[in-house]
Amino acid sequence: SQTIHQWPATLVQPVGSPLSLECTVEGTSNPNLYWYRQAAGRGLQLLFYSVGIGQISSEVPQNLSASRPQDRQFILSSKKLLLSDSGFYLCAWRENRAPSYNEQFFGPGTRLTVL
Amino acid sequence: QKEVEQNSGPLSVPEGAIASLNCTYSDRVSQSFFWYRQYSGKSPELIMSIYSNGDKEDGRFTAQLNKASQYVSLLIRDSQPSDSATYLCAVKSRGSTLGRLYFGRGTQLTVWP
Repeated sequence: SQTIHQWPATLVQPVGSPLSLECTVEGTSNPNLYWYRQAAGRGLQLLFYSVGIGQISSEVPQNLSASRPQDRQFILSSKKLLLSDSGFYLCAWRENRAPSYNEQFFGPGTRLTVL
Repeated sequence: QKEVEQNSGPLSVPEGAIASLNCTYSDRVSQSFFWYRQYSGKSPELIMSIYSNGDKEDGRFTAQLNKASQYVSLLIRDSQPSDSATYLCAVKSRGSTLGRLYFGRGTQLTVWP
């Protein structure tokens, strides 16, 4: 069965510091991968998605970036955090083969607080 | 702009009652519809998927889809306090590549004993 991991689970960072969040998926190959952010009292915002190694698409311009160095690894980064980057960061995956029912499955998330 | 609208609630029902959660969407060519449950402080968990008009039942959960009215709902029968959570509706458009989903903001459900 498939499993998705995220770490760290929680993070408190000062403004202006760098960020690296990691997501890995087990039990599948060549998945579609997604990064979402859920800010307090707001809905899920899609940040990045990837269909393969080195292939990243950005939904919203911001000071965040994403990379996919390996098939089942997805990394979210920032060089300098802003207060507005605080939120709950969720990684999700989806099967990338037919038949695909488009179901996305979420990891446990990383709660980031920028002070 | 593809929009997914949900009543934010909170929706409060007594234990044993039927909870009805509603969702409307703006994109007429939407093809796949999902309900996620999110407990406070946790990540969303997929609980139902529905792809064609009509009802789909899974245990105490029933998803209802009406594409003509651009409406999807989730019924929870015999509601339990453990059902208290935020329920997110998600929609995939037929024209959406790479499985992109559009999410509503969620409806907060409280089931009181």
